[in-house]
Amino acid sequence: GDSVTQMEGPVTLSEEAFLTINCTYTATGYPSLFWYVQYPGEGLQLLLKATKADDKGSNKGFEATYRKETTSFHLEKGSVQVSDSAVYFCALETSGSRLTFGEGTQLTVNP
Amino acid sequence: DGGITQSPKYLFRKEGQNVTLSCEQNLNHDAMYWYRQDPGQGLRLIYYSQIVNDFQKGDIAEGYSVSREKKESFPLTVTSAQKNPTAFYLCASSRMVASYEQYFGPGTRLTVT
Repeated sequence: GDSVTQMEGPVTLSEEAFLTINCTYTATGYPSLFWYVQYPGEGLQLLLKATKADDKGSNKGFEATYRKETTSFHLEKGSVQVSDSAVYFCALETSGSRLTFGEGTQLTVNP
Repeated sequence: DGGITQSPKYLFRKEGQNVTLSCEQNLNHDAMYWYRQDPGQGLRLIYYSQIVNDFQKGDIAEGYSVSREKKESFPLTVTSAQKNPTAFYLCASSRMVASYEQYFGPGTRLTVT
């Protein structure tokens, strides 16, 4: 079945450091891929998405490229801020508009 | 403003009692979903509904029930049969269009003692 594997956390960085959170997937066909962010005590918010191979999703300085050859969708940001501290979830769309989520990666950014 | 509301934010119940969690959306979305989130874990799908008066079991439906009598509403009942009901419950909705994202509510934290 479809699955998503994220790099294990937690990840702790200093402000202005470069961020990479790895995400790989297993799926049949060509699913859409998403990154969601969850701030403490809140629901999830869509951060970015990509719907086909080689698409790059971007938002708020975050980027991720849909790599079909490596079945990956790694999240990157060039310079993180304290306000980026949150849990990040990679997800893929399965049949019937269902989403399969990774386990999430906790990011803490220190000033 | 369009969005999803869940109430209450925090809910406390005694073991053996059924409890119903509310989820309402005014986004005119056809599909609605219930997820469970445990500390340090990802989201697991409990139930989902793609159309009024129809719903399907997700990956962990045992001990839960739902109804979808209106397009806007998708309440979840946590029954006494659910062995470990204490968790953070998230409701979401989406259009039934390929690649369309899900929108999430703020969640309800249920504690059963």
